[in-house]
Amino acid sequence: DTGVSQNPRHKITKRGQNVTFRCDPISEHNRLYWYRQTLGQGPEFLTYFQNEAQLEKSRLLSDRFSAERPKGSFSTLEIQRTEQGDSAMYLCASSLGAQVFDSTEAFFGQGTRLTVV
Amino acid sequence: AQSVTQLGSHVSVSEGALVLLRCNYSSSVPPYLFWYVQYPNQGLQLLLKYTTGATLVKGINGFEAEFKKSETSFHLTKPSAHMSDAAEYFCAVTSGNMLTFGGGTRLMVKP
Repeated sequence: DTGVSQNPRHKITKRGQNVTFRCDPISEHNRLYWYRQTLGQGPEFLTYFQNEAQLEKSRLLSDRFSAERPKGSFSTLEIQRTEQGDSAMYLCASSLGAQVFDSTEAFFGQGTRLTVV
Repeated sequence: AQSVTQLGSHVSVSEGALVLLRCNYSSSVPPYLFWYVQYPNQGLQLLLKYTTGATLVKGINGFEAEFKKSETSFHLTKPSAHMSDAAEYFCAVTSGNMLTFGGGTRLMVKP
């Protein structure tokens, strides 16, 4: 499978615990995005990377959230001290090119569904 | 800031009927526009996109959309609905270095 891969697919955690998600983009894609999607809503932008550089972060990304993309390959999204409001689907997408989402398609992974209890 | 409005969070059609999902956007610059489909517990799949050129865009699974700059709209249509079209549909517009999505429209197809 050469698509965007996200692990785990599902995560249940207790409030206050830390969680980490992983995204493996399509290998030649230089841009990687994280989105959050709550039930019944459209995806909301969290952050994106061009190669290993994190170029933009949404105000939704509180200081409990951190994302990395070492060596410009896979990316991790960590949430510290989880809260019930963090329960959502976390989607990763990747694309190729200098201009994101222009004429090149962005490919989304299947997401990681986080439930904080 | 750019935004996307999808009128109707739920749309129900009969199998074989016309599908029309509405999308209006706001943008201060010429936009790139997209429609994505999401099946339950899945990621998003691109249906079609408008960047430049022809304003009527054809996508996968028989869907098409027309970019109307004067109406700031990018409505999605399909002449004849299939049961397999039941899913959530999202309209999106480029906004700086990110996609901004609408709230989504759940399409239900009745036999």
